[in-house]
Amino acid sequence: NAGVTQTPKFRILKIGQSMTLQCTQDMNHNYMYWYRQDPGMGLKLIYYSVGAGITDKGEVPNGYNVSRSTTEDFPLRLELAAPSQTSVYFCASSSRVYEQYFGPGTRLTVT
Amino acid sequence: EDQVTQSPEALRLQEGESSSLNCSYTVSGLRGLFWYRQDPGKGPEFLFTLYSAGEEKEKERLKATLTKKESFLHITAPKPEDSATYLCAVQSLEKLVFGKGTKLTVNP
Repeated sequence: NAGVTQTPKFRILKIGQSMTLQCTQDMNHNYMYWYRQDPGMGLKLIYYSVGAGITDKGEVPNGYNVSRSTTEDFPLRLELAAPSQTSVYFCASSSRVYEQYFGPGTRLTVT
Repeated sequence: EDQVTQSPEALRLQEGESSSLNCSYTVSGLRGLFWYRQDPGKGPEFLFTLYSAGEEKEKERLKATLTKKESFLHITAPKPEDSATYLCAVQSLEKLVFGKGTKLTVNP
């Protein structure tokens, strides 16, 4: 099993560009989550989903969008990238809320 | 609002020097407290679940305990491979609320 995979691993964006961070899990988990992690700031929840077709905002959703058309995939869309979105992004999935399996992360720089 | 505070922010130990990490929380109805380990450049990895005051969980050199207001992660005779950031989290409905973590460095 691959677990949770994220692409790309690294990306540099110019201010105002858009991109999609991909997340796929092969564990048939209902719950999926997107976090961002800034140095010394811990994990902040951006969006989450409790099943296909259902998404909800987390703590820091502004500037991001998500969709969940299948159980396996949970892409995160960044529109009009800003320097404040420079961060490491983690996707996670779980069958129970607390035992989350994390992907390897995407390191995004907006300049 | 549910909150998790971890201390210290960073901790340096010599190999074999035991210590404890602290996680204090405020939550409306504790559904569980969870510990994760994060190695540099990687995603967090689940370690422990604690549900009620007095509960303890152990894994190798790590032991997690829970009281009504806080949790401790005790590290006994640590080794350099225990170096990592340890994250604490509480469940809030269908989400986890994470603390900022404690960065542990164990020197040989």
